[in-house]
Amino acid sequence: GAVVSQHPSRVICKSGTSVKIECRSLDFQATTMFWYRQFPKKSLMLMATSNEGSKATYEQGVEKDKFLINHASLTLSTLTVTSAHPEDSSFYICSAPGDQTYEQYFGPGTRLTVT
Amino acid sequence: DQQVKQNSPSLSVQEGRISILNCDYTNSMFDYFLWYKKYPAEGPTFLISISSIKDKNEDGRFTVFLNKSAKHLSLHIVPSQPGDSAVYFCAASARGTYKYIFGTGTRLKVLA
Repeated sequence: GAVVSQHPSRVICKSGTSVKIECRSLDFQATTMFWYRQFPKKSLMLMATSNEGSKATYEQGVEKDKFLINHASLTLSTLTVTSAHPEDSSFYICSAPGDQTYEQYFGPGTRLTVT
Repeated sequence: DQQVKQNSPSLSVQEGRISILNCDYTNSMFDYFLWYKKYPAEGPTFLISISSIKDKNEDGRFTVFLNKSAKHLSLHIVPSQPGDSAVYFCAASARGTYKYIFGTGTRLKVLA
């Protein structure tokens, strides 16, 4: 099946710094990608929809200036957590839709820890 | 407002027995439902799906049942195996969108 990769898988950063997370579709093109966040023992929460060649669409309550999304090509979307704070520590997961209506392929996730 | 709910945070089942995971939703616009399986520190992997035009979909050991009037779906795993131990998320979407709303997950533990 289709593969989505994320890099890095784990990152620790200091409070106030910015962190970039990459999401790549390895063997297919994705004009749309999704970014999710998962808190411990909580649901996956959709943060934003990344659109190739246009601005990302953010869900209600998600700060677009804090979580910068860039969909630079048909195989790459990046999420930059700017001026990170400890409360931004979380598991961030991206996904890309497949050919079928219901298909969505998830990346392995990135564990962000802000100290 | 949690539109998709999984009220059981955890479930333990003996190997070989049936596992039943439940999910409730509130939005009547949802017409496609999926179950994902997730291991720690990994992304979710697709397990099985069901469209609102059906009330049952079966794939090997996994069967999903949909009760539209009750806005309830369930995932049956039989026979359960230790390798099935994971967190299971149900997700729902409305027609024409890839946006899925996830439940909070149920941690299944299959005991050998």
